[in-house]
Amino acid sequence: DSGVTQTPKHLITATGQRVTLRCSPRSGDLSVYWYQQSLDQGLQFLIHYYNGEERAKGNILERFSAQQFPDLHSELNLSSLELGDSALYFCASSVVGGGIYEQYFGPGTRLTVT
Amino acid sequence: AQSVTQLDSHVSVSEGTPVLLRCNYSSSYSPSLFWYVQHPNKGLQLLLKYTSAATLVKGINGFEAEFKKSETSFHLTKPSAHMSDAAEYFCVVSDDRQFYFGTGTSLTVIP
Repeated sequence: DSGVTQTPKHLITATGQRVTLRCSPRSGDLSVYWYQQSLDQGLQFLIHYYNGEERAKGNILERFSAQQFPDLHSELNLSSLELGDSALYFCASSVVGGGIYEQYFGPGTRLTVT
Repeated sequence: AQSVTQLDSHVSVSEGTPVLLRCNYSSSYSPSLFWYVQHPNKGLQLLLKYTSAATLVKGINGFEAEFKKSETSFHLTKPSAHMSDAAEYFCVVSDDRQFYFGTGTSLTVIP
């Protein structure tokens, strides 16, 4: 158990809908990262938050947004969902942002868009 | 800019034989490097990390990796493969904002 929790574990929804994925980092970790993993695109970095502030953006679509709250948990919002958004979404946390500090990954949320 | 290249998308070994998963990195300064393992339908787990201390890094489950600056490589090895080693392996380099993942190497272990 990495100490990073993600809810829900599975999510099935229809095209055009909006969902929210939630992540709670390990105790004491200030950084939260979001990743998308699909068979055709592999593991894609979406966004990084450090202590409530956006730190780095990756291949995140405009339909997607994220935030990190004062208690350091984070939410990833996916809207106007398309079939191609079906994927595993991982959250990871680290003490600070990158450098020598490793990331710890949650178990993921599997999103299925029908 | 940081990047990693995993030289093999698939590696197949027999149980009990050595494992070699190859990774080359590109970094504008002294890098921090990591190997992660992902078993099917699971999250990623840290195997080991290099942070400019010893160049030979020992990790969990008998894996180790050697940092070679002259070759810009960080290859992952294990002397004897076990069936439970079958998984996807990711080489990662980091800067202070982001982690840069390789495309992964799928390891198959043949009984």
